[in-house]
Amino acid sequence: AQKITQTQPGMFVQEKEAVTLDCTYDTSDPSYGLFWYKQPSSGEMIFLIYQGSYDQQNATEGRYSLNFQKARKSANLVISASQLGDSAMYFCAMREGTTGRRALTFGSGTRLQVQP
Amino acid sequence: DAGVIQSPRHEVTEMGQEVTLRCKPISGHNSLFWYRQTMMRGLELLIYFNNNVPIDDSGMPEDRFSAKMPNASFSTLKIQPSEPRDSAVYFCASSFLTGLSTEAFFGQGTRLTVV
Repeated sequence: AQKITQTQPGMFVQEKEAVTLDCTYDTSDPSYGLFWYKQPSSGEMIFLIYQGSYDQQNATEGRYSLNFQKARKSANLVISASQLGDSAMYFCAMREGTTGRRALTFGSGTRLQVQP
Repeated sequence: DAGVIQSPRHEVTEMGQEVTLRCKPISGHNSLFWYRQTMMRGLELLIYFNNNVPIDDSGMPEDRFSAKMPNASFSTLKIQPSEPRDSAVYFCASSFLTGLSTEAFFGQGTRLTVV
């Protein structure tokens, strides 16, 4: 079974607007962490933001925020004020704390294109 | 620190040849991961080392793949013999795993093409 599901293969957004990239996850482990990575066309993987399963507040890092809905098992990435440089692939990933392996499991990714 | 360093960046080889991919993790990190990225299968974990010991190699496709980590500053992923379906981008990542929140730092990847 898929542990991380990203249902949007591609998204378009106008420059300066906000965009939400969806991520749902599946785990029975009560302790887990969720990560978002960005992969621009140059290929490197860039860490963006982290949310822990026990964190009371949604994580924020600059223009990135995470809409964490634990009961729905979703961890959507919100990018505010999109910039042309935000055009990239975005991956959601999970690490399970107690019952699972410590390596990150990745979703299939969403390709975001920011239009001027 | 220069980050995770992978070599070569690009490799083109003929089917049946041996291929060795190299990785130097960030100094002080205790965990190293090899991932493979393809269009069809996305990012898949191949193997994970902790303190130089292989912990999870369930993602290694078959006996043609092998990975070693002889010391804390070097790891190799070897494919012998290589096949066209091994064509992919191979990423090495390292982390200082102390808890759930520590991110993995990725190298630039090695783009492997087997013809």
